[in-house]
Amino acid sequence: NAGVMQNPRHLVRRRGQEARLRCSPVKGHSHVYWYRQLPEEGLKFMVYLQKENIIDESGMPKERFSAEFPKEGPSILRIQQVVRGDSAAYFCASSPYALTGERSGANVLTFGAGSRLTVL
Amino acid sequence: DAKTTQPTSMDCAEGRAANLPCNHSTISGNEYVYWYRQIHSQGPQYIIHGLKNNETNEMASLIITEDRKSSTLILPHATLRDTAVYYCIVRVESGGSNYKLTFGKGTLLTVNP
Repeated sequence: NAGVMQNPRHLVRRRGQEARLRCSPVKGHSHVYWYRQLPEEGLKFMVYLQKENIIDESGMPKERFSAEFPKEGPSILRIQQVVRGDSAAYFCASSPYALTGERSGANVLTFGAGSRLTVL
Repeated sequence: DAKTTQPTSMDCAEGRAANLPCNHSTISGNEYVYWYRQIHSQGPQYIIHGLKNNETNEMASLIITEDRKSSTLILPHATLRDTAVYYCIVRVESGGSNYKLTFGKGTLLTVNP
Protein backbone atom coordinates (compact mmCIF):
# COMPACT_ATOMS: atom_id res chain seq x y z
CA ASN A 1 0.00 0.00 0.00
CA ALA A 2 1.87 3.01 -1.26
CA GLY A 3 1.92 6.18 0.79
CA VAL A 4 1.27 9.66 -0.50
CA MET A 5 2.97 10.09 -3.84
CA GLN A 6 4.00 13.51 -5.02
CA ASN A 7 5.45 14.44 -8.35
CA PRO A 8 7.52 15.88 -9.63
CA ARG A 9 9.96 15.77 -6.75
CA HIS A 10 11.86 18.68 -8.22
CA LEU A 11 10.56 21.27 -10.63
CA VAL A 12 12.39 24.23 -12.13
CA ARG A 13 10.45 27.02 -13.74
CA ARG A 14 11.28 30.46 -15.07
CA ARG A 15 9.39 33.50 -13.87
CA GLY A 16 6.03 33.74 -15.55
CA GLN A 17 5.68 30.03 -16.29
CA GLU A 18 3.13 27.69 -14.75
CA ALA A 19 3.86 25.02 -12.18
CA ARG A 20 1.66 21.98 -11.64
CA LEU A 21 2.25 19.79 -8.63
CA ARG A 22 0.49 16.47 -8.32
CA CYS A 23 -0.46 14.49 -5.25
CA SER A 24 -1.84 10.97 -5.18
CA PRO A 25 -3.18 10.29 -1.69
CA VAL A 26 -3.00 7.00 0.13
CA LYS A 27 -5.46 4.60 -1.49
CA GLY A 28 -8.86 5.09 0.08
CA HIS A 29 -8.08 8.52 1.50
CA SER A 30 -10.52 11.19 0.40
CA HIS A 31 -9.11 14.18 2.32
CA VAL A 32 -6.10 16.05 0.97
CA TYR A 33 -4.15 18.93 2.50
CA TRP A 34 -1.47 21.08 0.87
CA TYR A 35 1.27 22.82 2.82
CA ARG A 36 4.08 25.12 1.71
CA GLN A 37 7.48 25.36 3.36
CA LEU A 38 9.70 28.28 2.44
CA PRO A 39 13.43 27.82 2.95
CA GLU A 40 14.36 27.74 6.64
CA GLU A 41 10.74 28.22 7.69
CA GLY A 42 7.94 26.08 9.07
CA LEU A 43 5.06 24.43 7.26
CA LYS A 44 2.22 26.72 6.30
CA PHE A 45 -1.25 25.37 5.62
CA MET A 46 -2.54 26.25 2.17
CA VAL A 47 -5.67 24.33 1.28
CA TYR A 48 -7.82 21.39 2.37
CA LEU A 49 -9.84 19.44 -0.19
CA GLN A 50 -12.24 16.58 0.01
CA LYS A 51 -13.03 14.83 -3.26
CA GLU A 52 -14.20 17.50 -5.72
CA ASN A 53 -14.72 20.04 -2.95
CA ILE A 54 -12.53 22.74 -1.47
CA ILE A 55 -13.15 22.73 2.27
CA ASP A 56 -10.73 25.42 3.36
CA GLU A 57 -8.47 27.55 1.16
CA SER A 58 -7.71 30.19 3.77
CA GLY A 59 -3.96 29.66 3.49
CA MET A 60 -3.73 29.89 -0.27
CA PRO A 61 -2.87 33.20 -1.99
CA LYS A 62 -5.92 34.61 -3.73
CA GLU A 63 -4.16 35.11 -7.02
CA ARG A 64 -2.21 32.70 -9.21
CA PHE A 65 -2.79 29.67 -6.96
CA SER A 66 -5.50 27.07 -7.39
CA ALA A 67 -6.10 23.54 -6.23
CA GLU A 68 -8.37 20.72 -7.23
CA PHE A 69 -9.05 17.14 -6.21
CA PRO A 70 -11.15 15.55 -8.96
CA LYS A 71 -13.29 12.47 -8.58
CA GLU A 72 -10.71 10.52 -10.52
CA GLY A 73 -7.00 11.19 -10.46
CA PRO A 74 -4.58 13.04 -8.24
CA SER A 75 -4.96 16.36 -6.49
CA ILE A 76 -3.32 19.20 -8.39
CA LEU A 77 -1.81 22.37 -6.99
CA ARG A 78 -1.43 24.88 -9.80
CA ILE A 79 0.66 28.02 -9.65
CA GLN A 80 0.32 30.38 -12.57
CA GLN A 81 2.90 33.02 -13.55
CA VAL A 82 5.38 31.87 -10.95
CA VAL A 83 7.63 34.36 -9.19
CA ARG A 84 10.86 33.79 -7.29
CA GLY A 85 8.99 33.97 -3.99
CA ASP A 86 7.09 30.81 -4.95
CA SER A 87 10.30 28.81 -4.60
CA ALA A 88 9.56 26.39 -1.80
CA ALA A 89 8.83 22.81 -0.87
CA TYR A 90 5.19 21.91 -1.29
CA PHE A 91 3.93 19.01 0.81
CA CYS A 92 0.73 17.10 0.37
CA ALA A 93 -0.92 15.05 3.09
CA SER A 94 -3.95 12.81 3.13
CA SER A 95 -6.31 11.26 5.65
CA PRO A 96 -9.14 8.76 5.25
CA TYR A 97 -11.64 10.84 7.14
CA ALA A 98 -12.01 14.28 8.61
CA LEU A 99 -9.80 14.83 11.64
CA THR A 100 -12.33 14.03 14.32
CA GLY A 101 -9.47 13.48 16.71
CA GLU A 102 -10.45 10.24 18.33
CA ARG A 103 -7.82 7.73 19.20
CA SER A 104 -7.65 5.83 15.96
CA GLY A 105 -5.22 5.47 13.13
CA ALA A 106 -7.69 7.25 10.90
CA ASN A 107 -7.06 10.55 12.57
CA VAL A 108 -3.58 11.24 11.38
CA LEU A 109 -2.15 12.86 8.30
CA THR A 110 0.17 10.92 6.05
CA PHE A 111 2.58 13.22 4.24
CA GLY A 112 4.31 12.84 0.93
CA ALA A 113 7.98 13.51 0.35
CA GLY A 114 7.25 16.91 -1.13
CA SER A 115 7.77 18.72 -4.41
CA ARG A 116 10.53 21.27 -4.51
CA LEU A 117 9.85 24.18 -6.81
CA THR A 118 12.67 26.44 -7.89
CA VAL A 119 11.84 29.58 -9.82
CA LEU A 120 14.70 31.08 -11.77
CA ASP B 1 -1.82 30.89 14.22
CA ALA B 2 -0.51 27.83 16.05
CA LYS B 3 -2.06 27.29 19.47
CA THR B 4 1.05 25.77 21.01
CA THR B 5 4.38 27.02 22.32
CA GLN B 6 7.60 25.04 22.11
CA PRO B 7 11.26 25.78 22.76
CA THR B 8 13.15 26.66 19.61
CA SER B 9 15.84 24.04 20.05
CA MET B 10 17.09 21.30 22.36
CA ASP B 11 20.07 19.00 22.53
CA CYS B 12 20.18 15.43 23.70
CA ALA B 13 22.95 12.85 24.04
CA GLU B 14 22.63 9.70 22.00
CA GLY B 15 21.10 6.88 24.02
CA ARG B 16 19.52 9.20 26.55
CA ALA B 17 15.87 10.13 26.82
CA ALA B 18 14.76 13.23 24.96
CA ASN B 19 11.96 15.16 26.67
CA LEU B 20 10.30 17.75 24.48
CA PRO B 21 7.87 20.12 26.20
CA CYS B 22 4.86 21.87 24.73
CA ASN B 23 2.49 24.42 26.18
CA HIS B 24 -1.10 24.52 24.97
CA SER B 25 -2.78 26.55 27.69
CA THR B 26 -5.83 27.46 25.58
CA ILE B 27 -6.68 23.91 24.59
CA SER B 28 -10.34 23.03 24.89
CA GLY B 29 -11.64 20.01 26.72
CA ASN B 30 -12.18 17.79 23.70
CA GLU B 31 -9.10 18.70 21.70
CA TYR B 32 -6.31 16.24 21.04
CA VAL B 33 -2.61 17.07 21.03
CA TYR B 34 -0.70 15.76 18.03
CA TRP B 35 3.04 15.35 17.60
CA TYR B 36 4.77 15.18 14.25
CA ARG B 37 8.40 15.43 13.30
CA GLN B 38 10.23 16.50 10.17
CA ILE B 39 13.65 15.16 9.43
CA HIS B 40 15.62 17.54 7.24
CA SER B 41 14.11 17.90 3.74
CA GLN B 42 11.63 15.08 4.27
CA GLY B 43 7.86 15.13 4.68
CA PRO B 44 6.52 15.34 8.24
CA GLN B 45 5.98 12.06 10.03
CA TYR B 46 3.25 11.34 12.55
CA ILE B 47 4.50 10.31 15.98
CA ILE B 48 1.65 10.15 18.46
CA HIS B 49 -1.48 11.93 19.68
CA GLY B 50 -3.54 11.98 22.86
CA LEU B 51 -6.37 13.62 24.77
CA LYS B 52 -5.78 13.38 28.50
CA ASN B 53 -4.30 10.02 29.31
CA ASN B 54 -0.66 9.25 28.79
CA GLU B 55 -0.03 7.42 25.55
CA THR B 56 2.77 5.19 24.33
CA ASN B 57 3.58 3.61 21.01
CA GLU B 58 6.63 2.14 19.35
CA MET B 59 8.08 5.57 18.66
CA ALA B 60 7.46 7.61 21.77
CA SER B 61 5.47 8.35 24.90
CA LEU B 62 3.20 11.32 25.43
CA ILE B 63 2.65 12.71 28.91
CA ILE B 64 -0.21 15.17 29.26
CA THR B 65 -0.63 17.17 32.47
CA GLU B 66 -3.83 16.78 34.44
CA ASP B 67 -4.98 20.29 33.53
CA ARG B 68 -4.07 19.53 29.88
CA LYS B 69 -2.28 22.83 29.50
CA SER B 70 1.00 21.21 28.61
CA SER B 71 2.46 17.96 27.43
CA THR B 72 5.83 16.29 26.99
CA LEU B 73 6.94 14.02 24.20
CA ILE B 74 9.47 11.46 25.34
CA LEU B 75 11.83 9.60 23.06
CA PRO B 76 13.17 7.00 25.50
CA HIS B 77 16.49 6.25 23.81
CA ALA B 78 17.33 8.94 21.31
CA THR B 79 19.44 8.04 18.30
CA LEU B 80 21.20 10.24 15.79
CA ARG B 81 18.35 9.55 13.37
CA ASP B 82 15.95 11.26 15.76
CA THR B 83 17.51 14.61 14.95
CA ALA B 84 14.57 16.55 13.51
CA VAL B 85 12.12 19.37 14.06
CA TYR B 86 9.34 18.21 16.37
CA TYR B 87 5.93 19.82 16.09
CA CYS B 88 3.29 19.89 18.80
CA ILE B 89 -0.09 20.65 17.25
CA VAL B 90 -3.67 21.18 18.31
CA ARG B 91 -6.11 20.92 15.45
CA VAL B 92 -7.84 24.06 14.19
CA GLU B 93 -11.36 24.38 12.87
CA SER B 94 -11.50 24.43 9.10
CA GLY B 95 -15.12 25.17 8.35
CA GLY B 96 -18.19 23.17 9.27
CA SER B 97 -17.20 20.09 11.19
CA ASN B 98 -13.83 19.87 9.47
CA TYR B 99 -10.43 20.43 10.99
CA LYS B 100 -6.89 21.00 9.85
CA LEU B 101 -3.49 20.82 11.49
CA THR B 102 -1.47 24.02 11.53
CA PHE B 103 2.23 23.78 12.26
CA GLY B 104 4.17 26.25 14.36
CA LYS B 105 7.95 26.55 14.34
CA GLY B 106 8.49 23.41 16.37
CA THR B 107 11.56 22.36 18.35
CA LEU B 108 14.77 21.43 16.60
CA LEU B 109 16.07 18.42 18.50
CA THR B 110 19.72 17.67 17.89
CA VAL B 111 20.93 14.31 19.11
CA ASN B 112 24.67 14.38 19.71
CA PRO B 113 27.00 11.36 19.64
